[in-house]
Amino acid sequence: GEDVEQSLFLSVREGDSSVINCTYTDSSSTYLYWYKQEPGAGLQLLTYIFSNMDMKQDQRLTVLLNKKDKHLSLRIADTQTGDSAIYFCAAFYGQNFVFGPGTRLSVLP
Amino acid sequence: KAGVTQTPRYLIKTRGQQVTLSCSPISGHRSVSWYQQTPGQGLQFLFEYFSETQRNKGNFPGRFSGRQFSNSRSEMNVSTLELGDSALYLCASSNPGTGVFTGELFFGEGSRLTVL
Repeated sequence: GEDVEQSLFLSVREGDSSVINCTYTDSSSTYLYWYKQEPGAGLQLLTYIFSNMDMKQDQRLTVLLNKKDKHLSLRIADTQTGDSAIYFCAAFYGQNFVFGPGTRLSVLP
Repeated sequence: KAGVTQTPRYLIKTRGQQVTLSCSPISGHRSVSWYQQTPGQGLQFLFEYFSETQRNKGNFPGRFSGRQFSNSRSEMNVSTLELGDSALYLCASSNPGTGVFTGELFFGEGSRLTVL
């Protein structure tokens, strides 16, 4: 079946880079996503990558996809306190989205 | 453009009661999905409606139901509430079929249900 896994917590210092990792089980996904959830809010799309791409960069965000290992990562450069949130990895299969459990990123001053 | 609106934002019910949650999608969006978010289980897919038809359903008991109206607004209903139904219920809208589909879901802020 389709499953998406993430580590639950990550703590970094302000100004450092953050790397949030995700693994998925079913390689037939067409798109992979990173969503961000701030306290008291819904999820907001940060970025996405097509399954035939290896990397995508968008300002401070870099997404790396290793299809062979079914591994997706999100790197946030120069992490700021405003980046503190829960980050969800998600895979799209046809009409169905499968979300990971979310990684809570804490940014320490 | 107004975002996805969910009502009510907070509600408290007791076991055995039923609850109806409402979601108004972004104007023009025809797909509405519902998710249950809990600390232990993360984000679990409930169901998706497209043009008033349920297109996908997650692995939830029949106590959870939904519907979509002709204006794309959606409601979900939970009957015979249990303590374990306490969660944040998130609605998301999208508009597949409009050119290149990037799969972006637009989420509301959620309805936080507490069952006592």
